[in-house]
Amino acid sequence: DQQVKQNSPSLSVQEGRISILNCDYTNSMFDYFLWYKKYPAEGPTFLISISSIKDKNEDGRFTVFLNKSAKHLSLHIVPSQPGDSAVYFCAASANAGNMLTFGGGTRLMVKP
Amino acid sequence: ETGVTQTPRHLVMGMTNKKSLKCEQHLGHNAMYWYKQSAKKPLELMFVYNFKEQTENNSVPSRFSPECPNSSHLFLHLHTLQPEDSALYLCASSQGTGVRDQPQHFGDGTRLSIL
Repeated sequence: DQQVKQNSPSLSVQEGRISILNCDYTNSMFDYFLWYKKYPAEGPTFLISISSIKDKNEDGRFTVFLNKSAKHLSLHIVPSQPGDSAVYFCAASANAGNMLTFGGGTRLMVKP
Repeated sequence: ETGVTQTPRHLVMGMTNKKSLKCEQHLGHNAMYWYKQSAKKPLELMFVYNFKEQTENNSVPSRFSPECPNSSHLFLHLHTLQPEDSALYLCASSQGTGVRDQPQHFGDGTRLSIL
C-alpha cells in the first residue's frame, strides 16, 4: 500500500494563475517532506522542502503547506509559468533520514 | 560535468544477458542511491550506500547486484532479469545521511528494456 499518494495524475492551469498540487501520506513517522520536479528525459530536481515542525515554507513562487493532522501537504506555484510544466513528485522521510518514499507524481501543464 | 551522470541512457537486453549500469557523481557527496521507476508506479528506493557501505536493501531480488567501489561511483550489475524489470533506473547522491543535510541529486536515468 502506498504511503505517499498524489491522487491527481494531471493538472492543467492557465499561465499567471495559481497551481496547487496535493499530496497525502499515511505514515505518521514521516517528519520531512520534499517536492521534486521532473522534465522528460531528465532526472528529478529538488524544488522545496518542509520539516514537520513547520506548517509553511516559501521560496520565491513556490510555497509548501503542511497539515499534519490531515497528513496532507500541498505545493502552490504562483504565478504559474509555461516553464513550470513538468511532473511533480512529493516525497517523505521518517526521522529525517535519507530513505525517501515518493508519491506517483502529478503532471502539471501550464498553458500560455 | 553535470552533477550525477548515468550510463548508458538506454539499454536493451535479453533475459539471459549480464550488463551493468554505471553512476558517477561529481558533487563530493557521501551517499548514493539506486531507484527504480516502473510505468505508472512511484519511484522505489532499491539500495542506499553511505560512505561506500550498503545500509539499505529494500527487498530487491538478487538478480540486481549493486557495487560501490568509492564514494563517487555506483554500479548496478544485472543478470537473468525478467520482463517486469523493464523500467527507468535512477541514481542519486546526497551530501550526508540525513535528508536535512542536502537534498538528493538525481541523474537522468537509464531506460532499461528486457526482451
